[in-house]
Amino acid sequence: QSALTQPPSVSGAPGQKVTISCTGTTSNIGAGYDVHWYQLLPGATPKLLIFGNNNRPSGVPDRFSGSKSGASASLAITGLQAEDEADYYCQSYDNSLSGSMIFGGGTTLTVL
Amino acid sequence: QVQLQESGPGLVKPSETLSLTCTVSGGSVSTYSCGWIRQSPGKGLEWIGYIYNTGSTNYNPSLESRVTMSVDRSKNQCSLNLRSVTAADTAVYYCARGLDRVVVNKWKGHYCDYWGQGNLVTVSS
Repeated sequence: QSALTQPPSVSGAPGQKVTISCTGTTSNIGAGYDVHWYQLLPGATPKLLIFGNNNRPSGVPDRFSGSKSGASASLAITGLQAEDEADYYCQSYDNSLSGSMIFGGGTTLTVL
Repeated sequence: QVQLQESGPGLVKPSETLSLTCTVSGGSVSTYSCGWIRQSPGKGLEWIGYIYNTGSTNYNPSLESRVTMSVDRSKNQCSLNLRSVTAADTAVYYCARGLDRVVVNKWKGHYCDYWGQGNLVTVSS
């Protein structure tokens, strides 16, 4: 069981918007630690999509955005494209586990 | 452009030690931390630990008793050793460049901005 909770799967049609949630606790996201998001495409190098809750690294399209409120965070993808079909993971830090980097269980995005 | 490449055996016998090396190009291991993350078949990402450029380490408590990480600055490499492996350690192992997130002098956690392609390690006799 992951320290951060994500829905196992989400789906949307091309052009639509989807949101992936990431729920934590008072020892991680709720304690004020930042949330980061990664995209894992089959056979490809994992990619940092969002860092520091809502910042996009250079080269990441502005269709991807992040937000955080309280002990939860979200990744939004607008204008869905077939190439967005991948697994998405949120990540934060937890101060109750001897200082651990923690991941969500991952969400598989299907573009219908 | 920063690139990381894991290398090591694809097959390790049970009870032996898994050893992987991560070679960094386009950047220096002396400047950032080096993290290791794994993904078991059909499962999510699991943080193994990271080693700072100072040499200090931070390991996942569930793996801490079996893990050692090190840095070779002369080769611009970082390494992972995982002892006494079992089939449960079968996974794709990733190395990644780690960064601290500091906002207005407050430490907000750690994240990885560049990752290697991953090295599949199977534990089997």
